[in-house]
Amino acid sequence: ETGVTQTPRHLVMGMTNKKSLKCEQHLGHNAMYWYKQSAKKPLELMFVYNFKEQTENNSVPSRFSPECPNSSHLFLHLHTLQPEDSALYLCASSQASGAPGELFFGEGSRLTVL
Amino acid sequence: QKEVEQDPGPLSVPEGAIVSLNCTYSNSAFQYFMWYRQYSRKGPELLMYTYSSGNKEDGRFTAQVDKSSKYISLFIGDSQPSDSATYLCAMRSQTGANNLFFGTGTRLTVIP
Repeated sequence: ETGVTQTPRHLVMGMTNKKSLKCEQHLGHNAMYWYKQSAKKPLELMFVYNFKEQTENNSVPSRFSPECPNSSHLFLHLHTLQPEDSALYLCASSQASGAPGELFFGEGSRLTVL
Repeated sequence: QKEVEQDPGPLSVPEGAIVSLNCTYSNSAFQYFMWYRQYSRKGPELLMYTYSSGNKEDGRFTAQVDKSSKYISLFIGDSQPSDSATYLCAMRSQTGANNLFFGTGTRLTVIP
């Protein structure tokens, strides 16, 4: 496996379900991110972890709960979501010594909340 | 006012055309400017980045930044069907290493 891998690729859940998105990076990077991508909207930064420590939390509702057990893995735990949370959730990683603004994205997890 | 404005398109051009994609921004602190390309059902990938004002060329792609006008452009020369994708501009300040501001993306289709 190379790059940034996200699972599952597609997820359908009810408003009362609990599910998790998983991200794994094989690039040796020290920062990992969760972004939300909705139609006709800019990518929204949700969470940032640097060396496993959360450094950004952009006023994300508590129904989204991130977890970063080590520098290679990132989870997004989901519970009691709303239909407006349906979107593509992208994980990314970066290295401080890399090109400025260079994020390596996974292919995303397409979430549908019924 | 949004930090970054980008026309979502869609934009359709014939093969071989020169394509111009643009973004405007409001924050004068932005110093690094990026263009990402996102193919259907894939994550975005960095295409080019520039620092401050000026031009940068990479093959058929040219990025331009005009900080006085708060305006950036990406030109694609001799466009190919494989260039069909959504192009997202992104930018950040000198100190905002982890905080990129993205445009909405412009969907481009190059017709053979």
